[in-house]
Formats: sequence, C-alpha cells, structure tokens
Amino acid sequence: TQTVSQSDAHVTVFEGDSVELRCNYSYGGSIYLSWYIQHHGRGLQFLLKYYSGNPVVQGVNGFEAEFSKSDSSFHLRKASVHWSDSAVYFCAVSAVNYQLIWGSGTKLIIKP
Amino acid sequence: DTTVKQNPRYKLARVGKPVNLICSQTMNHDTMYWYQKKPNQAPKLLLFYYDKILNREADTFEKFQSSRPNNSFCSLYIGSAGLEYSAMYLCASSRDLGGYAEQFFGPGTRLTVL
Repeated sequence: TQTVSQSDAHVTVFEGDSVELRCNYSYGGSIYLSWYIQHHGRGLQFLLKYYSGNPVVQGVNGFEAEFSKSDSSFHLRKASVHWSDSAVYFCAVSAVNYQLIWGSGTKLIIKP
Repeated sequence: DTTVKQNPRYKLARVGKPVNLICSQTMNHDTMYWYQKKPNQAPKLLLFYYDKILNREADTFEKFQSSRPNNSFCSLYIGSAGLEYSAMYLCASSRDLGGYAEQFFGPGTRLTVL
C-alpha cells in the first residue's frame, strides 16, 4: 500500500526566507512523485514531478524538489519566498499506470 | 485554455435529498476524475472516467454515481445525501490515464449537507 505523509500541517516563514516543505512516502517500486499548489479559492495546479534521472527537479516560480530514495522523501524547496507563495501544497505519489495517492497538504503562511 | 469549470461553486443540500454536481473541460482530455476533500485530509479519489469507461473506488462504489455524456462534461451524483457527504468536491482532468499525467483541477464545489 502506498502512503504519503506531509508531517507539517502549517509552515510559517517571513517573505524572503527560504522554505522546505516535507513529503515522505512508502512504496517499493517505481513511482512518480508530484507537487501541486492550491491558492485560496482556486483549483490545484501542477508544480513539478519526478520519475527518474537527476533527483533535483525544477518547477515553476523558483520551486524545486529533491528525491531521496534512501529517505523515501521528495521535499519541496524555495530559496526566497514571496507573499504570493502563500497556499496549500500537496505532495502526490503514483505507481506507473495507477492513480495518484495524495498527502494531506501543508499550508504555507508568509509573514510580511 | 486549461480551464476546468465546476458548477455550482457552493451547494446546500438537505439530508436524504439528491445532489448533482457538474464539471466541464475543453482540453479534450480522455480522463476525468472526482475527488472528495475534507479539511486537513488528503483528496480522496471517488471515481474516474477514462473515455466512456467509469471506474469507481471500492469503498465509495455505492455512494456516488457519475455520467459522462460527452468528452467535455462529467457529473457526480449523490442519490441521498448524508451529513458525512459535506466536503469539497474536486473535479480534475488529464490527457492520459495514470499518475504520470498532469492533472488539471477545477476550483471545487463546496457541498454542505444539513
């Protein structure tokens, strides 16, 4: 059974700070890992995904995520957050040809 | 246009009454999904269509129905709403079937059952 854990329900940082949002998963085979963002009142939007190759993948708006097989993690990072990054971030995992399994989300709060 | 639309955005329903939610997309995507999202929980897949074929999750099989009259539209139908159905319902579409395909989401319909 695949599971996805986002251990932090909320993360608060100041504008301009760096941030890391954590995602851990459990699955033994080949998987796709994704991050989605949901701004208030809007639908979830795709940020980035990883399947193979370079473990650091770049997404939109300066976001990147790093895959670690040893840690079973796919953490999302940004070097310098902007107030517009305030949103809920969802991590998702899928085996090939199977549907996404979602984490419960991390709300990123940006203080001015 | 990568928009997925959902109607209505808010729905109030009485216990025991039916509920019908609508989703549309104009990207000619083969796959359309319905998720249920409750606060502080992960989105839960209820069902999805791949072309005209409906797949319903085993644990929600009897609770939710759906139809897809054409490629663009997909509905979610609850025959008799219970309090536990109060949630955000998210519709999404993707070009292909499978977790590698990016999903495009609508803004959701917030259903409140009283």
